Amino acid sequence: KAGVTQTPRYLIKTRGQQVTLSCSPISGHRSVSWYQQTPGQGLQFLFEYFSETQRNKGNFPGRFSGRQFSNSRSEMNVSTLELGDSALYLCASSLEGTGETQYFGPGTRLTVL
Amino acid sequence: KQEVTQIPAALSVPEGENLVLNCSFTDSAIYNLQWFRQDPGKGLTSLLLIQSSQREQTSGRLNASLDKSSGRSTLYIAASQPGDSATYLCAVLNSGTYKYIFGTGTRLKVLA
Repeated sequence: KAGVTQTPRYLIKTRGQQVTLSCSPISGHRSVSWYQQTPGQGLQFLFEYFSETQRNKGNFPGRFSGRQFSNSRSEMNVSTLELGDSALYLCASSLEGTGETQYFGPGTRLTVL
Repeated sequence: KQEVTQIPAALSVPEGENLVLNCSFTDSAIYNLQWFRQDPGKGLTSLLLIQSSQREQTSGRLNASLDKSSGRSTLYIAASQPGDSATYLCAVLNSGTYKYIFGTGTRLKVLA
């Protein structure tokens, strides 16, 4: 089985722009979670999608949003980028979500200039 | 508010040593705890998942224990190898919120 894939792997944007990141889960997995990883704050939970619905969310401003499609692929959008949004964005998939082993993708490295 | 701490932040050991990584959490109301490894610039790989009702899990040279009442978990790595060099993260899934809270990690270097 193919693992979790994320595209693009690297992105460079400037302040004020918006960005969309994509995550394709392992085939058959219906839950997709997104995380932000920075040297200062570590790994922080952004949100989780299951069957096209946001099931859980972390403490991030409304500039961070996401969605999930019927094939379980998920996208994450960040609007009005700030320098502090520079981070490694990771997505993880699991069969049903809560309490299961999560399988992570390689991440998208976003740099905001 | 759940806080997860990992000590030490970094560890360097010679090949072949047995070692223990520590993870502590402040709120014992957890659903499960997972240990992950992360290689530089890469995603996370799940190593072991311990449900709140379990005391330990084993996989190969790895053994993870969980003492929920004291808010502690340990990851034991037997006969360490240079390929074990990575950052090890623990994460607790809070009951109720069902959000994973990650520790800051232990950066392990195994010297050949």
